[in-house]
Amino acid sequence: EVQLVESGGGLVQPGRSLRLSCAASGFTFDDYAMHWVRQAPGKGLEWVSGITWNSDNIDYADSVKGRFTISRDNAKNSLYLQMNSLRPEDMAFYYCAKDIASAGMEAFDVWGRGTLVTVSS
Amino acid sequence: SYELTQPPSLSVSPGQTATITCSGDKFGNKFAYWYQQRPGQSPVLVIYQDSKRPSGIPERFSGSNSGKTATLTISGTQAVDEADYYCQTWDSNTGVFGGGTKLTVL
Repeated sequence: EVQLVESGGGLVQPGRSLRLSCAASGFTFDDYAMHWVRQAPGKGLEWVSGITWNSDNIDYADSVKGRFTISRDNAKNSLYLQMNSLRPEDMAFYYCAKDIASAGMEAFDVWGRGTLVTVSS
Repeated sequence: SYELTQPPSLSVSPGQTATITCSGDKFGNKFAYWYQQRPGQSPVLVIYQDSKRPSGIPERFSGSNSGKTATLTISGTQAVDEADYYCQTWDSNTGVFGGGTKLTVL
């Protein structure tokens, strides 16, 4: 079964850091680009960041550029999101999503269940 | 930054056709993707590259894209189709989602 499982969410104070992880199974992880997409409670979807299969190309939404870092470990079938200088507006469910292509910028055909990040003092 | 505009809500009766639009500048030059999100669930891809259906998606879902508007059409809408629908595309290597359309089937 193709599956993505996020972890690492929780309550964090503004200005602090958090690292999210996504464990992939059921498919050849290093054949595909991967992404993080977030959704504030009751709001719409927002693409956060994407990384190609070999990590050669990485992109970020303007809202997180310079604060968030995406990475992957193909040996561990894992995707990560290092989030620094967190702000209240970063509070959201963070979904890990698989691209249908290795180079990315295509559709997201597999999604995890999400992990909730709460930023509050 | 690039923006995609969707109507916030749409209501249809069971068996009718639901048409959800998504507009953006020069959208016809880009691919459109559509996702369905039922309450409390993760999004599901229903249309990719304007009009292609992933395996497992019912034939009643179809898509098109021309000019400035992409369209998701659900023929013979069923109660299970009640959900939020999001369009998405790529601009300058960044993903862009529309604001979402809440489809009510009543």
